Parts: sequence; C-alpha cells; structure tokens
Amino acid sequence: EVQLVESGGGLVQPGGSLRLSCAASGFTFSSYWMNWVRQAPGKGLEWVANIKQDGSEKYYVDSVKGRFTISRDNAKNSLYLQMNSLRAEDTAVYYCARDTNRGGGAFDIWGQGTMVTVSS
Amino acid sequence: DIQMTQSPSTLSASVGDRVTITCRASQSISSWLAWYQQKPGKAPKLLIYKASSLESGVPSRFSGSGSGTEFTLTIGSLQPDDFATYYCQQYDSYPWTFGQGTKVEIK
Repeated sequence: EVQLVESGGGLVQPGGSLRLSCAASGFTFSSYWMNWVRQAPGKGLEWVANIKQDGSEKYYVDSVKGRFTISRDNAKNSLYLQMNSLRAEDTAVYYCARDTNRGGGAFDIWGQGTMVTVSS
Repeated sequence: DIQMTQSPSTLSASVGDRVTITCRASQSISSWLAWYQQKPGKAPKLLIYKASSLESGVPSRFSGSGSGTEFTLTIGSLQPDDFATYYCQQYDSYPWTFGQGTKVEIK
C-alpha cells in the first residue's frame, strides 16, 4: 500500500525548533519530488516547501525561508522538515505530500498530518 | 505570487444537483491547475490535475475545465459523499498556491 506517515509534531515555545519526519512506503520514494503542505486550524491549505528526487533543488514559500529546511534520505525512504525560530503563525497541521510526476506540482498521495502548536 | 480566488466560498446544494465551482488565477497558469476534496479531519484528496485530467479512482461525475486564468470544477450529480471543502491549486510558478476553499453544504 502506498503510504506516507508523518511524525514529530507537538507543542513548542515561540523561537523553538522542531523536526518533522515523513516515512514513505509502497512506492519508489527516490523517483518523486516531495512536498510539505500546512493547514492552520480552521484555515485553508498552504504549500510550504518541496525537494527534488536527488535533493539538488529545494523551494520554499517566503514566510519560512531562512527558518525551515527541507531534506530527504532516499536510503531511509524519509522526508524531513527542520523548523527553527518558530512563530505562533506556524501553528498548523503539517502534511507531507507526493508529486504526481505527471507534469509535477499536483499532489496525489498525502500523509495523515502531524500537528505543530507554537505557544508559550 | 499568483493569487487563486475561488467562488463561491460556500455553496448549499441538494443530492442530485449539478454543482460548479470557479477558480480564478491572478495571472495565466496555462493548465497547471489541480482540484482537491477535503473532509473534516482528513488529508486532501486529489480529484483533477492539469486542469481537466481525472485522477485514477475518482468518480466520473467530477470534471474540470479551463485554461489561462479561469477554471471550473463541476460535479455532475451531487452525491452524499461529496459534501466537503474543495480547493484549487496552481503549480505554474513558485510558490505553489491554493484557493481559499469552497465548502459544499447540504441544502
């Protein structure tokens, strides 16, 4: 079964750090662009970052540039999001999502999400 | 950044109704548009990619059309399982951006 499972969310104080992980199974992880998408409570979807199959290209939304770092380990079939200098507005459910590889940029497989709460 | 604007924000409809949701981009995105369905507490589900291509396993009552700046998602005959929130998303240029969502409610 094709599956993505996120972990690492939790409660963190403003200015703190957190590392999210996403474990992939059931498909050739190294063949796909991968993404992080977030959703603040009661709000819409926001794309956060993505990374190319070999990790050589990475893109970010402006609001997280310089604070978040996306990475992957193809040997471990895993995607990561290192989040530093966290702010209250980063509070959201974070989803990892797979690119379709059919022209790229649409997301055909999503994880169940992990909640990140930034609060003192 | 490309702004995506959906209309309406909320839509009340009955089972069997034909439903149309519109998504407008602030600049041309060719056909680089996807549609998703999201139910409360669940991850989004891809319905349509490249504006009009139906994702595998998605019922044929869902269809997408448009190019450039104006796009539509049509549900041919609304079913009970279709009451949800729908989002469009452009992937023409970074950052990828989503519309604000359209909630389809039971009338």
